[in-house]
Amino acid sequence: DVKVTQSSRYLVKRTGEKVFLECVQDMDHENMFWYRQDPGLGLRLIYFSYDVKMKEKGDIPEGYSVSREKKERFSLILESASTNQTSMYLCASSLYVRLDRPGNTEAFFGQGTRLTVV
Amino acid sequence: AQSVAQPEDQVNVAEGNPLTVKCTYSVSGNPYLFWYVQYPNRGLQFLLKYITGDNLVKGSYGFEAEFNKSQTSFHLKKPSALVSDSALYFCAVRGSGNTPLVFGKGTRLSVIA
Repeated sequence: DVKVTQSSRYLVKRTGEKVFLECVQDMDHENMFWYRQDPGLGLRLIYFSYDVKMKEKGDIPEGYSVSREKKERFSLILESASTNQTSMYLCASSLYVRLDRPGNTEAFFGQGTRLTVV
Repeated sequence: AQSVAQPEDQVNVAEGNPLTVKCTYSVSGNPYLFWYVQYPNRGLQFLLKYITGDNLVKGSYGFEAEFNKSQTSFHLKKPSALVSDSALYFCAVRGSGNTPLVFGKGTRLSVIA
């Protein structure tokens, strides 16, 4: 079975703290993604990565950074947590899209981390 | 740029009745379309996808979706709703190439016994 694991289900952090959210996948997927989910706004892409040590900004990268040192692990870092970063964070992974297999590319999601910044 | 619209924040349906959750999309090139479901305090679960071929796609838990190119729609359907189908449903689109999924804002489905 496909598995994406996020290290914490719930986190409470203080304003100004540096926060690490970890995500591990066991499917040998090239692509990994971090989204945040807020009521009425759906899922918004923060960062994604197509390969080790590679990253691309998504729609809302401000206040975040990422690290991908190994293929299976993609970390989201809040450099200095703020209350407006209180949210549900979802990690996902998928196969790299190739012309010969355009379809086998659905993303698989972790359980989510509900982060509260106080 | 890719985008997805889910025009209904909430859909209510009686158990046993057919349900439809609407989705329209905008993308350059051929669209790759997906539906996901989210139960409370959980991640997203993949339901079904349209890549190419038949416009009617069948997925998990008895759900299906119809791709309509002229109307740029990909509505999710089920012939007979169950109370256990109550959840948050997301439509997503990806264009050609290795691009991330873009999600709609979600539609909350409530099935009433």
